[in-house]
Amino acid sequence: ETGVTQTPRHLVMGMTNKKSLKCEQHLGHNAMYWYKQSAKKPLELMFVYSLEERVENNSVPSRFSPECPNSSHLFLHLHTLQPEDSALYLCASSHQGENTEAFFGQGTRLTVV
Amino acid sequence: GENVEQHPSTLSVQEGDSAVIKCTYSDSASNYFPWYKQELGKRPQLIIDIRSNVGEKKDQRIAVTLNKTAKHFSLHITETQPEDSAVYFCAASKGSNYQLIWGAGTKLIIKP
Repeated sequence: ETGVTQTPRHLVMGMTNKKSLKCEQHLGHNAMYWYKQSAKKPLELMFVYSLEERVENNSVPSRFSPECPNSSHLFLHLHTLQPEDSALYLCASSHQGENTEAFFGQGTRLTVV
Repeated sequence: GENVEQHPSTLSVQEGDSAVIKCTYSDSASNYFPWYKQELGKRPQLIIDIRSNVGEKKDQRIAVTLNKTAKHFSLHITETQPEDSAVYFCAASKGSNYQLIWGAGTKLIIKP
């Protein structure tokens, strides 16, 4: 195990539901990331938190709302999603700074129906 | 902005043969090039990386080469084994993990 844990592993939700994805790391990292992984596409960086402050928001729709209450936890709140939002959502963490290894969680497989 | 192209999208090789995956990048300021391996149903994991001040790096059966002039870098796996079957992602960055731009991935299939 790399020390980055995501829950739930699988999630099916309707377009009117509200749900949250959780990520937890115990590696002493101070930067955390949300990625979207769709089939045969590059990993898409959604949000970055460094020292618990959001430093990157790559034009992600407002139906995705991140939260980072402390350096070990990261959430992604979901509401009124669309079927095209179905994907694997990966959390990652790393030390802040230049070009350090990112440790990924196993992801949450999200299906929007 | 930066763009990373990865080829091929699928690669099938006989066990024991070598495999080569290639990536090109567009931003000449990129200086860090990691490769991640993602086995089926598992998380991506870093397997090797290279920085722009070197041209080649090896780690047992895995090597990465970088051609800064041509702006491309490649992953070489020798003596392939069944456990090498996975999707491999390249990425390029010019300063921090926030700026990692990823390739679309290569599915490597090792035939017995």
